[in-house]
Formats: sequence, structure tokens, C-alpha cells
Amino acid sequence: QSVLTQPPSVSAAPGQKVTISCSGSSSNIGNNYVSWYQQLPGTAPKLLIYDNNKRPSGIPDRFSGSKSGTSATLGITGLQTGDEADYYCGTWDSSLSVYVVFGGGTKLTVL
Amino acid sequence: EVQLVETGGGLIQPGGSLRLSCAASGFTVSSNYMSWVRQAPGKGLEWVSVIYSGGSTYYADSVKGRFTISRDNSKNTLYLQMNSLRAEDTAVYYCARGTYYYDSSGYQHPNYFDYWGQGTLVTVSS
Repeated sequence: QSVLTQPPSVSAAPGQKVTISCSGSSSNIGNNYVSWYQQLPGTAPKLLIYDNNKRPSGIPDRFSGSKSGTSATLGITGLQTGDEADYYCGTWDSSLSVYVVFGGGTKLTVL
Repeated sequence: EVQLVETGGGLIQPGGSLRLSCAASGFTVSSNYMSWVRQAPGKGLEWVSVIYSGGSTYYADSVKGRFTISRDNSKNTLYLQMNSLRAEDTAVYYCARGTYYYDSSGYQHPNYFDYWGQGTLVTVSS
């Protein structure tokens, strides 16, 4: 059981918009920054969003992040087949003896 | 350009030992927080261990007492010594560069991982 809760899967058609939620608590998301990672099939995770809503250089603005209370959301607009991947949220949890905790991951299918 | 290259994975029997290496380029390992993160087959990401720039080390409870993280500054390389391996340690192991931030009280906290290696597969099986 992951400390952060994500839906196992989401799907949408090409060109559409999708959101992926990440639910936590006051000891993690509620009081710390959230990051998001994209893992394309057979590859390593890649940083997609950091500090709740910032994009690293090279990440298109189709990807966005937000946080409200103890939940965070990743948004992807103008879906492309190349966006099919697993997406993970991550943050620090002050109540646990771990460096970073991750959500269980969400599989995005672009129909 | 920042690059992380892991090596050392393979098939090992339960109870055995293995040492993973992560060669870094484009930045200095000793000046950064470096972590190992693993992913069991078909599963999600699990943080394993971190070494701070000051040398402090921390471990997930699942590997505490069995794994040791270290670095060789002269080789700019990160290591993970894994002993007493179990079937549940089977996973792809990634090294990743971590970042941190300061809260309003001035305390430092872990933040995101900005660079990841390609991973190395460790299979523990008889």
C-alpha cells in the first residue's frame, strides 16, 4: 500500500485532456512539494513536474501540475499516443523514516 | 550533460551479495544528494537509500542492515552494496540525483529527483 494514492489507470482519446490525482495527508502532500515523473514503457522515470507546478526545461506546457490541500493533480492536454506511460507522484513524508514516498502509479492509455 | 550509468546487476542466489555502481558525469556526486530507487517487476517506485553531500546515509526499513550506500569521490561514482539478498529484492535499481529545499523555519527537506540512470536489473532466485 502506497502512502500516496493514485488511480491505477486513466484513459482518453488523442487530443483530449486528462487529469491524474494524487491523494495524501498533512504529513506529506499537505506540507511539502509534489513532483511528478513519467515512465515510458521500458525506460527510466523522467522528471515531469517539480515544486507542485514547475516544468523542467524541455517539458512541453501540455503538462501541468497543481496542489490543493492534501491532494495534487497532474494535467495533460492535447493528448498524444507518445504520452502513453506510467505516471508517479512523489513527495517527502515527515512522519516516516523515508527520504521520499511515491504514489502507486497511474497507467495512461491514449485510446 | 548530466548522465548516470548503473552497472552490476545480475542473477544472484538468495542470501548472496551484489554491488551496484552508478557512474556519474556532468556533475559532482559528492556535492549532491544521491539515491537508489528500485522498481520490482510490474510494480511502482520504491526509495531505497540516500547519501547526503555531507556523507550521512539513510535507508528504507526494508533494506536497513543489509544494504550499504557509499561513494568514491575520485571516481565520481555511487555504490550500493547489497548483502543477504532476498527474493523480494528483485527489481530494477535506479540511481537518481536528489534535490532539497528549505522550509520557512530554515529546515532542509528532500524534494524531487531531477536525473535518473537507465537502471540495472537484480534478480534474486535459486
